[in-house]
Amino acid sequence: AQSVTQPDIHITVSEGASLELRCNYSYGATPYLFWYVQSPGQGLQLLLKYFSGDTLVQGIKGFEAEFKRSQSSFNLRKPSVHWSDAAEYFCAVGAYSGAGSYQLTFGKGTKLSVIP
Amino acid sequence: DSGVTQTPKHLITATGQRVTLRCSPRSGDLSVYWYQQSLDQGLQFLIQYYNGEERAKGNILERFSAQQFPDLHSELNLSSLELGDSALYFCASSVGRASGGPGEQYFGPGTRLTVT
Repeated sequence: AQSVTQPDIHITVSEGASLELRCNYSYGATPYLFWYVQSPGQGLQLLLKYFSGDTLVQGIKGFEAEFKRSQSSFNLRKPSVHWSDAAEYFCAVGAYSGAGSYQLTFGKGTKLSVIP
Repeated sequence: DSGVTQTPKHLITATGQRVTLRCSPRSGDLSVYWYQQSLDQGLQFLIQYYNGEERAKGNILERFSAQQFPDLHSELNLSSLELGDSALYFCASSVGRASGGPGEQYFGPGTRLTVT
């Protein structure tokens, strides 16, 4: 079965600093990978996705992520963090579950705090 | 705004009761997914429907059931409620494919269920 590990439960960065959130996955085949962001009291918003092709993918709000098959990782990056980026970030892997279906398995999330 | 709507936003009920959560997917989306988010378990996939038919089951309790109607809206029924069922329940939708191929899921704002 697939799994996702986000090693950092909570990260604090200063506004304007760079950011990298780690994500490692376990899946036997080519994964479909996603990053979502959840602001307090809100639903999840899709930041970016990787299905195939270029391993560096660009998303919304200035985020990017790099798929590294050899490391089973899909880390999320942003060169300069804004105070509005404070939220919880979830990495997810989409995998086939049989019977023509696929489902998302989420990591536990990384909470990002931003110091003004 | 993802285009996915969920009602009600908040629900407070007592143990042993039954509640129904409602979800309307984005226009044109055929697949609906239900997730439960709690502090201890994180985001857990419950069940998926595609065009009215159950497609996949995750960690859904036998006390929980769901259905998708001809107009594609979906309802999640939770019965014999326990304190541990208190959580955020999210609905997500995607275009979906008959083959169950990958696609990004768009999440609703969630229903916060409190069981007292």
